[in-house]
Amino acid sequence: DAGVIQSPRHEVTEMGQEVTLRCKPISGHNSLFWYRQTMMRGLELLIYFNNNVPIDDSGMPEDRFSAKMPNASFSTLKIQPSEPRDSAVYFCASSRQGVDTEAFFGQGTRLTVV
Amino acid sequence: QKEVEQNSGPLSVPEGAIASLNCTYSDRGSQSFFWYRQYSGKSPELIMSIYSNGDKEDGRFTAQLNKASQYVSLLIRDSQPSDSATYLCAVNTGGYQKVTFGTGTKLQVIP
Repeated sequence: DAGVIQSPRHEVTEMGQEVTLRCKPISGHNSLFWYRQTMMRGLELLIYFNNNVPIDDSGMPEDRFSAKMPNASFSTLKIQPSEPRDSAVYFCASSRQGVDTEAFFGQGTRLTVV
Repeated sequence: QKEVEQNSGPLSVPEGAIASLNCTYSDRGSQSFFWYRQYSGKSPELIMSIYSNGDKEDGRFTAQLNKASQYVSLLIRDSQPSDSATYLCAVNTGGYQKVTFGTGTKLQVIP
């Protein structure tokens, strides 16, 4: 398996622009997580899905952020409009359902908003 | 109170020594506990998981869990410079596999 695949790896955009981050989870995994990592706040859980359904989006910072999972093999995280404080590394992770399963991470998308 | 807490470090140990990393969590219902290692500029990777009280050993790594004290630790024996990284404690804090991470402890192994 290729693992969790994220795109793009790097994104530089201007303030006010829309940004879309993409994730393909590992085949057979039914939980998907979006995390944001910064030096100041560490790894923060933004939202997670189970069987394509959003279960908890309490970590989404504001209405500018939205996430979708239209099917079991694809998810997007959208920021509109983007702001400089959104600059961070965004990770997608997936796991199988079960108490003893680990989350596997993608390589991350480094977002810079100027 | 944060759900998962760790000292940010850095924790510096000489090569060959034992590194001890600690983590506390707030949700008594948590069932699964993980230690991830993250090298600078890379994504987190799982190194240990533990689900029941006691110790679990895997090579140079030992995870320790005490649910009564809500405490998880990771011991690294015979520390190597290649162990220098940030170690993230993660806890399954709810249903549907919600995994919450601590802010991580940076470990530096001095040759």
